[in-house]
Formats: sequence, structure tokens, C-alpha cells
Amino acid sequence: EAQVTQNPRYLITVTGKKLTVTCSQNMNHEYMSWYRQDPGLGLRQIYYSMNVEVTDKGDVPEGYKVSRKEKRNFPLILESPSPNQTSLYFCASRPGGGLTGELFFGEGSRLTVL
Amino acid sequence: AQSVTQPDIHITVSEGASLELRCNYSYGATPYLFWYVQSPGQGLQLLLKYFSGDTLVQGIKGFEAEFKRSQSSFNLRKPSVHWSDAAEYFCAVGALSGYSTLTFGKGTMLLVSP
Repeated sequence: EAQVTQNPRYLITVTGKKLTVTCSQNMNHEYMSWYRQDPGLGLRQIYYSMNVEVTDKGDVPEGYKVSRKEKRNFPLILESPSPNQTSLYFCASRPGGGLTGELFFGEGSRLTVL
Repeated sequence: AQSVTQPDIHITVSEGASLELRCNYSYGATPYLFWYVQSPGQGLQLLLKYFSGDTLVQGIKGFEAEFKRSQSSFNLRKPSVHWSDAAEYFCAVGALSGYSTLTFGKGTMLLVSP
């Protein structure tokens, strides 16, 4: 089954404790992206990757890092989480850089930073 | 830069009644337009998309949308709403170039009353 898998789905952590949210897709997609969803703000893009070793900032990259060492994986790293990073995070992928391909979303990771 | 406005934060519709969700976009050239649906606890699923050609596009689950360039709108419609349509709906616009990213609206929450 074609899917985007995120882990963990739920996480409560404390300020400053490094964490990683993993994202894996089994569709051999080139393009992957991370979004955060906050009430009243919709989805905002954090980072995206056009292929292995190619990443770029989205609209709200501050406080986040990403890496793309393999095509299927695109982890989101919070080096020193802060309460304003409490949010619902989505990973997504699509076949290529163009917009004609459908963007597939994971089920989301709800992060709470105390 | 592109932008999307969904004027209605919440809409309540009676089951069996028709539905129209509004979406206005801002983009200098021909946009790529999308509607996504997010059911509770789930990721986003693509309902339909418009790239070019016929301005009335059909999607999944009985939804359709009409692109009106003169009004910069891409409203989503369904002739008869089912209780299972209760969800949050997001309109998105993408730029027609290269490794383009999507800009999402803030979403409209659809409530379906018996």
C-alpha cells in the first residue's frame, strides 16, 4: 500500500530536549516536504526536499533542521524545542518537483513542548 | 507571492443540502489549484485539482469545483452533503514553475447537521 509514515504520532517533551520526527514514503517519490498545522493558520511549509541531498527552506524554517540522505526518508529535527513549536506536523511527498503529481500526506505527528 | 483566502472558518449544512465552500487566490499567472480534505485525526487527501482546460473539474466523493479567472476563485461544491463529509477543507494554490510549492488556505470546517 502506498503510504507516508510518520513517527511518533504523539509526543510530549520538554523545552530543549532534542527530538526527531521520522518520515518515510514507499512510493519512490523525489519530492518530500514538512508542514506544521496550527489553529487559524492552516498549513505552513517548514522545509522541502527535491531529491537526495537537496533541501530548501519553506515559510517557517526557524528552529528546525532536515536531512535527506535516502530517497525514502526525510526526518524533521528539533535541536532545542520550544513551546511555540507545539503543533501538528505533517510530512508529504509527491513524484517530482512539478505540481501535477498528487501530494500524499502522512497521518500527522502531534507534538507538545512543555 | 501566491496567497489563498478561505473566507469561511466554519460552515454548517444540513444533511442532503447543497454545499459551496469559497476559495479566492492571488497569483500573477495561471495557477495550479487544489482542494484537500482532512478528516479528524487524519492527514490531508486530495479531492480535486485544476491545471488548465475545462474550468469545471470533478473530484472524488461527488465534489466539483469551478475555476473563475475573472473572480480569482475556485469554489468547491457538492449537490447533496452526507454526514461523512464533515471535515476540514483546504484550498491550495501552486505556482506554475519548477519545483513549486503549495500555499494553503487556513481551512473551512464543515459541520453537517441531521
